[in-house]
Formats: sequence, structure tokens, C-alpha cells
Amino acid sequence: AQSVTQLGSHVSVSEGALVLLRCNYSSSVPPYLFWYVQYPNQGLQLLLKYTTGATLVKGINGFEAEFKKSETSFHLTKPSAHMSDAAEYFCAVSRSGGSYIPTFGRGTSLIVHP
Amino acid sequence: GAGVSQSPSNKVTEKGKDVELRCDPISGHTALYWYRQSLGQGLEFLIYFQGNSAPDKSGLPSDRFSAERTGGSVSTLTIQRTQQEDSAVYLCASSLGGSGRGSKTQYFGPGTRLLVL
Repeated sequence: AQSVTQLGSHVSVSEGALVLLRCNYSSSVPPYLFWYVQYPNQGLQLLLKYTTGATLVKGINGFEAEFKKSETSFHLTKPSAHMSDAAEYFCAVSRSGGSYIPTFGRGTSLIVHP
Repeated sequence: GAGVSQSPSNKVTEKGKDVELRCDPISGHTALYWYRQSLGQGLEFLIYFQGNSAPDKSGLPSDRFSAERTGGSVSTLTIQRTQQEDSAVYLCASSLGGSGRGSKTQYFGPGTRLLVL
């Protein structure tokens, strides 16, 4: 079984401030982890993913996430928020092999204030 | 185009009518997923197709929902006798499938916004 918890349905930051979106997962096997972003009236777009290897992964638009096995976390960060980062962010967990269906968190809405 | 496409982009229907939603996945992607996204909610898995295998229908909420995938490509999600609680955005995604590191990355379509009056 696998599950994803995203802490905070809404996160509000000022432009230029650090962005931190939290994601904790549970998985009975080594996970594949993803962050997706959804802009208004659009589908989801992959930001970054962790499969194996380096635990700090960099994605598009200056975002990065670190896989911490001991904490079962995969938090998303960006050093300096931009107004264009305002969107819904989803964390997802899957696993290698077979036909395992990804499990998504409920999403975190990022609000960026000028 | 190279991405996942869905049609229609918006659909307004009356309660009790049937609707069909279409998804064109990325060429060569063997895996196809349907999700439902209600206002303020996360993604609710509906159904999953992988190649020629029997689909995983475990997420379908009732027998009013069904889906098929013809020729391993285009998929149609059908909702019969629509209810107001069916109003949502229906998202389709495809992926390469298989077990490689890139196999699980999903590519999403823009969604179909369904409103049942």
C-alpha cells in the first residue's frame, strides 16, 4: 500500500520569499516520487521526480526536492517565489516495476503575494 | 500535437443524460489513466489501461461509469445517467508504461470540465 500526505491545503508567501511545500509518503517498497504543478484551467505538468540515485533533484522553474528516506519526506522548495509560481502543487508516489498506479496527495495551493 | 489531448474541453449536460469524454494519449504510450478532480479535491483515480491487459477499474465510483480504449490508443470515458455530483474536471494521463525509470512519469491532458445541471 502507498499513500501521500501534503501538509497544508494552502501556503501563502511573499514574492521573493522561500517556498516550502511539504509531502510525506508511505510505501512498502522503494518509491518513485513526483511533484506536479497545475496552473488554472490546465492539466498537471511534471515539475520533478525522484527514482534512484541522487536524493536532491532539481526541476523546472527553479524548484527542487530532497528525498529523505528516514523521514519519508519529499518536500518541494524554491529559494525565491515568483508571482508566476501561484498554482496547485501535487505530490505523488509510485514504485518501480509492474503496473502500479500512482497515488496523489490532495494538493497544496501556493499563493504568492506581491 | 505531441501532448495528450482531451475533448470536449467543456461539457454541460442535464441530469440523467449520458456523456462521452475522449482522450488521445501521446503516441507510443502504452499506459493510460483517467482521474476525476472535484473542486478543492485531489485527483481521484478512476481507471487504468496498460497495453492489452485487462483494465484496472478499481476506482470507478459506480456502474454508471465505464471506459474503453480502442486499438491501444484513444480512450473514451462514458458516464451514463449523469448526476449533479458527477460535475468535476476529468483528467486523462498517459505514460510509457513498463518498469523503467521513465515509465511512471505521467503526461496529463488539459481536462474536460463537466457540469451536470
